[in-house]
Amino acid sequence: DQQVKQNSPSLSVQEGRISILNCDYTNSMFDYFLWYKKYPAEGPTFLISISSIKDKNEDGRFTVFLNKSAKHLSLHIVPSQPGDSAVYFCAANGVNQGGSEKLVFGKGTKLTVNP
Amino acid sequence: DTGVSQDPRHKITKRGQNVTFRCDPISEHNRLYWYRQTLGQGPEFLTYFQNEAQLEKSRLLSDRFSAERPKGSFSTLEIQRTEQGDSAMYLCASSQESYEQYFGPGTRLTVT
Repeated sequence: DQQVKQNSPSLSVQEGRISILNCDYTNSMFDYFLWYKKYPAEGPTFLISISSIKDKNEDGRFTVFLNKSAKHLSLHIVPSQPGDSAVYFCAANGVNQGGSEKLVFGKGTKLTVNP
Repeated sequence: DTGVSQDPRHKITKRGQNVTFRCDPISEHNRLYWYRQTLGQGPEFLTYFQNEAQLEKSRLLSDRFSAERPKGSFSTLEIQRTEQGDSAMYLCASSQESYEQYFGPGTRLTVT
């Protein structure tokens, strides 16, 4: 039962353009969402997060949007750079609603930014 | 402020052998997590400590797996009688009273 879904295994964009990575979730207990970036042979690196009380959070080139009614979030990277090429994981937890401390991850989307 | 460290980075073992991995969290973090990641999947939760107390374990953590955090600092994850299905990347993460978990580089286990 995949509670966090990233339906696009890969995405390819041109340098300077916008990258949009999508994530859907099924568990309404989730109330905090995170994006991680992972390079090969390294652990995931925390990128940006959003609480369910917000619908947008921005940090530099990275913006996360949350649509609670649709149980959907997206990560926008503008402008995309070749160094952004990595696997991006969406994760969720629901500790504030009596849930677990654990993060539940999607399967990831491999982003390739072409020069 | 050093990040989360894990040792060893790679481990190759024969089926049936025992292996132990170590994780050193970020020094002021009281929460420590173990995850496992296999090819094409996201990390999957194994277990969680707050200080030295193990507060949650996944069904993935069979009887052959045991984790400890004896003094609330570093943690060890032991796998007894390894099986080929245990081959994976074992990730450790830590946090301090926040939702953001910070991951180490992982230990890649190969069981032959």
